[in-house]
Amino acid sequence: KAGVTQTPRYLIKTRGQQVTLSCSPISGHRSVSWYQQTPGQGLQFLFEYFSETQRNKGNFPGRFSGRQFSNSRSEMNVSTLELGDSALYLCASSSVTGSYNEQFFGPGTRLTVL
Amino acid sequence: KNEVEQSPQNLTAQEGEFITINCSYSVGISALHWLQQHPGGGIVSLFMLSSGKKKHGRLIATINIQEKHSSLHITASHPRDSAVYICAVGGSQGNLIFGKGTKLSVKP
Repeated sequence: KAGVTQTPRYLIKTRGQQVTLSCSPISGHRSVSWYQQTPGQGLQFLFEYFSETQRNKGNFPGRFSGRQFSNSRSEMNVSTLELGDSALYLCASSSVTGSYNEQFFGPGTRLTVL
Repeated sequence: KNEVEQSPQNLTAQEGEFITINCSYSVGISALHWLQQHPGGGIVSLFMLSSGKKKHGRLIATINIQEKHSSLHITASHPRDSAVYICAVGGSQGNLIFGKGTKLSVKP
């Protein structure tokens, strides 16, 4: 089985722009979670989608949004980018929802905001 | 106080040494995960456990639910074990709450 894929792998944007990141889960997995990793805050949960519905959301501003398609692929969008949004964005897929299930991580998208 | 605390933050070991990384948490959990992150960012799930002990090769993970504590042990450490090890617990809303990670460097 192919692993979790994320595109693009690297991205450079300027303040005020918006960005869309994509995540394709392992075939058959219906849950996709998104995480932000920064040197200062470490890994933080953004949101989880399961069967096209947002199941959980972390403590991030409304500029961060996401969606999931019928084929379980997920996108996250960040509008009005700020310098502090520079981070590694990771997605992880799981066969079912809930933190008691093993999650399989993608390689991440490294976003730099100038 | 962070909900998930790891110690030590940094660890340097000689090849062959026995290594222990600790994780304490203050929230009720459904499961505890140990993750490994290599330079470049990729994360691999090592263990998921809710009780007792699990072993995979040279890696052993234990959890004490009553004491809210887990340990990750690496026996006969090798330079390829050099990575950041992250403890994460399942939060009440189904999300993962992460520790800050332990950076392990194993010298040959």
